Amino acid sequence: GQNIDQPTEMTATEGAIVQINCTYQTSGFNGLFWYQQHAGEAPTFLSYNVLDGLEEKGRFSSFLSRSKGYSYLLLKELQMKDSASYLCAVRDVSGGYNKLIFGAGTRLAVHP
Amino acid sequence: IAGITQAPTSQILAAGRRMTLRCTQDMRHNAMYWYRQDLGLGLRLIHYSNTAGTTGKGEVPDGYSVSRANTDDFPLTLASAVPSQTSVYFCASGPGTGGNEQFFGPGTRLTVL
Repeated sequence: GQNIDQPTEMTATEGAIVQINCTYQTSGFNGLFWYQQHAGEAPTFLSYNVLDGLEEKGRFSSFLSRSKGYSYLLLKELQMKDSASYLCAVRDVSGGYNKLIFGAGTRLAVHP
Repeated sequence: IAGITQAPTSQILAAGRRMTLRCTQDMRHNAMYWYRQDLGLGLRLIHYSNTAGTTGKGEVPDGYSVSRANTDDFPLTLASAVPSQTSVYFCASGPGTGGNEQFFGPGTRLTVL
């Protein structure tokens, strides 16, 4: 089957670092995405990993370990505007078509 | 138009009524998708289209239909709405034929009473 797990909620302090974990099980893995979604808005693309390792993009970094079925999103120097939901999505190529399978999202609250 | 748009923004609908949610993109993306987002469940794929003239079923297609007459438009139709279809609906598009980075529309909040 297909399963993506991430924590439901997290809290952090402005200026700090937070790591949001995502574990997945899928039969046709071919890449992992992270999206940010502010309340009442559309998801927006943050990062994409297809090979093992760390991808850094400004204050945000994403890590992937395919052998462990594990990824994390690292947010540094947290700002209040980072309060949002963060969605982990796996690209799956089983079943005859490429598709993204989304986790339920992690709601991050950044406090002063 | 810039990017991907959806209409209406929100709608309250009586059960049993027919409803079409509209989605238009101007990025010339081949692939388009419809998702519903429900609290605690994340985004679930309803239908997809890899290119104009083709469509396919996603994870939760029952009660929904789509068409893709051209590259830009991908309407989603609820033939006879039921309360369980109350949700936020997102349309998305992406280059290539599926599974690449997707760009999301602003969403349609649908309430079926």
